[in-house]
Amino acid sequence: EVQLQESGPGLVKPSQSLSLTCSVTGYSITSNYWGWIRKFPGNKMEWMGYISYSGSTSYNPSLKSRISITRDTSKNQFFLQLNSVTTEDTATYYCARYMYTTGYWYFDFWGPGTMVTVSS
Amino acid sequence: DTVLTQSPALAVSPGERVTISCRASESVSTRMHWYQQKPGQQPKLLIYGASNLESGVPARFSGSGSGTDFTLTIDPVEANDTATYFCQQSWNELTFGSGTKLEIK
Repeated sequence: EVQLQESGPGLVKPSQSLSLTCSVTGYSITSNYWGWIRKFPGNKMEWMGYISYSGSTSYNPSLKSRISITRDTSKNQFFLQLNSVTTEDTATYYCARYMYTTGYWYFDFWGPGTMVTVSS
Repeated sequence: DTVLTQSPALAVSPGERVTISCRASESVSTRMHWYQQKPGQQPKLLIYGASNLESGVPARFSGSGSGTDFTLTIDPVEANDTATYFCQQSWNELTFGSGTKLEIK
């Protein structure tokens, strides 16, 4: 079965960069698409971006100047970097597989999430 | 952005039928998907493409709708359906609803 696991620092200082890793087992990241989603305190969820099986990326326009998603296929991992963070980036961050079936795109497998707090 | 509006909370008794609605600010065709998130857990896909049941999800869950109005139905509701239910569209970029918290009395 596909399993995803996020890892990274739980506390980041304002103006610094947030870096997270998503480790995937049970499926190769050279197939399908792989995304990052975050959930803010109060429940709002935001799609951040995804990386494709070929390494191409797509980002939420609201984050485009600050976000980068990359991958290491040898380790079957993909990564999130978010620059110039503020307290408004405090959230639980999820990685997920972005699946395409018969015209529909959706997230079918999710990691358990990792909480990141931005605070000095 | 396509804004998805959900009612904040619902409370029902076990055995009842519950409908959770999601309204899109513009048409998303049938590119609407539903997730269940229990406290402390990751979201779980229930329905994709408005009405397609994800493999392994009980048939008590069903989805309907197209365009701007969508519904997730649970019939009958069970005690362990206590969760927040999110809709998500993939027609115009990707956006999520604010979630409906379902309480089982």
